[in-house]
Amino acid sequence: EAQVTQNPRYLITVTGKKLTVTCSQNMNHEYMSWYRQDPGLGLRQIYYSMNVEVTDKGDVPEGYKVSRKEKRNFPLILESPSPNQTSLYFCASSLSGYPYSPLHFGNGTRLTVT
Amino acid sequence: KQEVTQIPAALSVPEGENLVLNCSFTDSAIYNLQWFRQDPGKGLTSLLLIQSSQREQTSGRLNASLDKSSGRSTLYIAASQPGDSATYLCAVRVNTGNQFYFGTGTSLTVIP
Repeated sequence: EAQVTQNPRYLITVTGKKLTVTCSQNMNHEYMSWYRQDPGLGLRQIYYSMNVEVTDKGDVPEGYKVSRKEKRNFPLILESPSPNQTSLYFCASSLSGYPYSPLHFGNGTRLTVT
Repeated sequence: KQEVTQIPAALSVPEGENLVLNCSFTDSAIYNLQWFRQDPGKGLTSLLLIQSSQREQTSGRLNASLDKSSGRSTLYIAASQPGDSATYLCAVRVNTGNQFYFGTGTSLTVIP
């Protein structure tokens, strides 16, 4: 089944403790991206990647890191999480260079930073 | 920077009614516009994608239209059902192809 898989689904951590949220897709998509969803603000793009070893900042990249060493994986790293990073996070993927390709989403990771 | 707005923020209708959800965007330089459905605690499910060169797309009881020049899209749902209750989001993919901008969604409740 074609899908985007995020782990974990729920994560509670403390300020400053490094964490990684994993994202994997099995559709051979070049494009992958991360979003955070906050009430009243909608989804905002954190980082995106057009292909392996190619990443770029979205609208809200501060406090986050990403890497794209393999085509299927695009982990999101919070090196020193803070309470304002408490949010619902989504990973998504699509074909790159093909504007008709829809964006496919994972089921989300709800992160709480205390 | 692209801004996407969805009005109304919430909508409640009786079962069987036809309804229209609105999405507007400020910059017409888009690749495509996509409508999603989001159920509570779940991810986003793609409903329809309209290419910038298209005027509309249909899937079952759903019809989405796009007017790039006026920066507007509508999602028409025919004969609404309680199972249609969810939040509906629109998103535009800008011409560089790299970034997506989302509206804040319309929360739809269909009353049996």
